[in-house]
Amino acid sequence: QSVLTQPPSVSAASGQKVTISCSGSSSNIGSNFVSWYQQLPGTAPKLLIYDNNKRPSGIPDRFSGSKSDTSATLDITGLQPGDGADYYCATWDSSLIALVFGGGTKLTVL
Amino acid sequence: EVQLLESGGGLVQPGGSLRLSCAASGFTFGNYALSWVRQAPGKGLEWVAAVSTAGRTYYAESVKGRFTISRDKSRNTLNLQMNSLRAEDTALYYCARHPFWYIPATDQRVDYWGQGTLVTVSS
Repeated sequence: QSVLTQPPSVSAASGQKVTISCSGSSSNIGSNFVSWYQQLPGTAPKLLIYDNNKRPSGIPDRFSGSKSDTSATLDITGLQPGDGADYYCATWDSSLIALVFGGGTKLTVL
Repeated sequence: EVQLLESGGGLVQPGGSLRLSCAASGFTFGNYALSWVRQAPGKGLEWVAAVSTAGRTYYAESVKGRFTISRDKSRNTLNLQMNSLRAEDTALYYCARHPFWYIPATDQRVDYWGQGTLVTVSS
């Protein structure tokens, strides 16, 4: 059971928008920054969003993040077939003294 | 270009030991905190351990007392000594870099990942 809760799967049609949620608590999301990672099949994870809503260089603005209280959200607009991947949220947990990840969300682009 | 190259994975019997290494290049090794993150087959990501530039270490409860993370500044290498291995330790182990020298940070993101080394614990 992951400390951060994500939906196991989401799906949407190509060109549409999808939202992936990440729910935590005051000791993790509530007091630290959230990052998001994309893991394409058979590859290592890649940083997608950091500091709740910032994008590393090279990440298109179709990807955006937000945080409110103890929850975070990843939005992907203009879905493309290549966006089909597993997405993970993560943050530091100040009580556990550990880096914690969500269980991951599998995105299917229809 | 930042590169993290893991090695040392393999098949080991339950109760056995294994030492993983991560050769880092393309950045000033001594300026960044590092972690090991693992992924069991078909499962999600699980943080294992982290070490700051000052050598301060942090461990997941599931490996505390069995695993030891260390860094060798002279060789630009991150290590993970794994003892008393269990079947549930079977996973792909990733070497991961954090963008700051200290842990914990309110921003504990991983900005670079290696390709992973596979550890299989089975009799």
